This record gives sequence, C-alpha cells and structure tokens, in this order.
Amino acid sequence: EAQVTQNPRYLITVTGKKLTVTCSQNMNHEYMSWYRQDPGLGLRQIYYSMNVEVTDKGDVPEGYKVSRKEKRNFPLILESPSPNQTSLYFCASSWKARDYGYTFGSGTRLTVV
Amino acid sequence: GENVEQHPSTLSVQEGDSAVIKCTYSDSASNYFPWYKQELGKRPQLIIDIRSNVGEKKDQRIAVTLNKTAKHFSLHITETQPEDSAVYFCAVSSGGNDKIIFGKGTRLHILP
Repeated sequence: EAQVTQNPRYLITVTGKKLTVTCSQNMNHEYMSWYRQDPGLGLRQIYYSMNVEVTDKGDVPEGYKVSRKEKRNFPLILESPSPNQTSLYFCASSWKARDYGYTFGSGTRLTVV
Repeated sequence: GENVEQHPSTLSVQEGDSAVIKCTYSDSASNYFPWYKQELGKRPQLIIDIRSNVGEKKDQRIAVTLNKTAKHFSLHITETQPEDSAVYFCAVSSGGNDKIIFGKGTRLHILP
C-alpha cells in the first residue's frame, strides 16, 4: 500500500531533550516536507526537500533540523525542544511539489513540557 | 513571498445546499492549486487540484475554478452531505521556489 509512515504518533517530552520524528514513504516521491498544524494558523511549512541531499527552509524552520540521506526517509530533528514547539506535525510527500498533490502521514502530536 | 488568504474561516450550510470556499494568492507565477479535506482527527487528503493552464475542473460533486487574472481560486461543493463536514485547506505552489503554502482553513458544517 502506498503510504507515508510517521513515528511516533504521540510524544510527550521535556524541554531540552533532543528528539527525532521519523518519516518514510514507499512511493519513490522526490519531494518531501514537514508541516506543523496549530489552531487558527493552518499548516505551516517547516522544511522541504526536493531530492536526496537537497533541503530548504520553509516558513517556520527555527528550532528544527532535517536530513535527506535516502530518498524514502526524511526525519525531523528537534535538538532542544521548547514548549512553543508543542504542535501536531505532518510529514508529506509528492512526485513534484509544483505539479502534484501531497500524500500526508498520519501525524505526530508532540507535547513539550 | 507568497501569501494565501482563505475565506470564510467557518461555513455552515443546510444539507443539500451548495458550499463555496475562496482563496486568494499574491504570486502571479504560482501554477498549481490543490485543495485538501481534513476530517476530525485525521490527516489532510487531496480532493481536487487545478493547474494554471485550466480554468475549471470538476469531479462529481466538487469543482474548482481558477481566475489567474484576479489571483483567486474557489472550491465548490454541490448537494452537500453530512460526510462533507470537515476542514478544507487550499494550497498554492510558490512560483519562485518549491514551497507549498496553505491557507488557514475553512471549517464546513453541514446542518441536517
């Protein structure tokens, strides 16, 4: 089944403790991206990647890192999480961002206390 | 950079009536305009999209229209049903880079 797999689904952590949210797709998509969803603010792009070893900042990249060492994986790293990073995170992938829609992962609800 | 405005933020319509959601964008080089539906507690899912060389696209009860001159596009849902209740997001592919910018969403309520 074609899908984007995100883990974990739920995570509660403490301020400053490094964490990684994993994202993997099995559709051979070139484009992958991370979004955060907050009430009233919609979906805001954190980082995106057009292909292996190519990553770019979205609109809200501060406090996040990503890597794209393999085509299928695009992990999101929070080196020192803070409470303002409490949010619902979605990974998404697409053949090409400008011409094709996203397939989204199931989401990760992160709480930083 | 690209800016996407979506209206209304909340919309209530009687079952069987039509619903229209509108988005405006700022970058005239933008060329791809998808719409996503997000049911409560679920991930967003692509429901319809349109490219800049097309003015209208239909898929059963949903349609999207694009006015490139005015820089706006709209989602039309006809004969609304209870399962249409959800949050709908428009999105725009930024013309100058490969960012995808979303509107803030419209919560659609279908009233019995």
